Amino acid sequence: GAGVSQSPRYKVAKRGQDVALRCDPISGHVSLFWYQQALGQGPEFLTYFQNEAQLDKSGLPSDRFFAERPEGSVSTLKIQRTQQEDSAVYLCASSLTSRDGYTFGSGTRLTVV
Amino acid sequence: GQNIDQPTEMTATEGAIVQINCTYQTSGFNGLFWYQQHAGEAPTFLSYNVLDGLEEKGRFSSFLSRSKGYSYLLLKELQMKDSASYLCAVREGRGSYIPTFGRGTSLIVHP
Repeated sequence: GAGVSQSPRYKVAKRGQDVALRCDPISGHVSLFWYQQALGQGPEFLTYFQNEAQLDKSGLPSDRFFAERPEGSVSTLKIQRTQQEDSAVYLCASSLTSRDGYTFGSGTRLTVV
Repeated sequence: GQNIDQPTEMTATEGAIVQINCTYQTSGFNGLFWYQQHAGEAPTFLSYNVLDGLEEKGRFSSFLSRSKGYSYLLLKELQMKDSASYLCAVREGRGSYIPTFGRGTSLIVHP
């Protein structure tokens, strides 16, 4: 596609519910990143993929967070047993080369009630 | 790790020039990015600096001094639509090249 696509755009989850957030990167982009952005803050790194390999997951806040990119294109961020502090915008970004910068999707706004 | 510092908020007048500073501390510097983010939208790429000096792109310019751990984004001929958050992001060359973002500077442009 022309840009990075994320779905759903908004998600309301009851505390304790599992959620899955999807990211469709730009076709051919090797690198894919997930970030979490709280209101009024900058994006915080969660995890990074190069093709299907998850090279860095040091930013995942707990073992309730899990990400995958099985075929090196679409990625899913899963949050189990959601808690209120998980409420944030989850941004996905992809890149082809470092010189071009990173293209972000519009994000998924997750609200846990 | 990195420590990225930028002002929380700035205000400026339409038509004026504004400079948004970013300081950072890092080991193995491998590039600095500036992004613009309007409320409720995705960050959009503005500039990338990896060598010292000024990079100009239309109304926007970005400067980098690696020895000082310092960058600024210069916005000229401000327009109301420039009201947004401006994010400074620094990348360390740890092999995975992950950019770390500052908290962002909220710029308010008034008539």
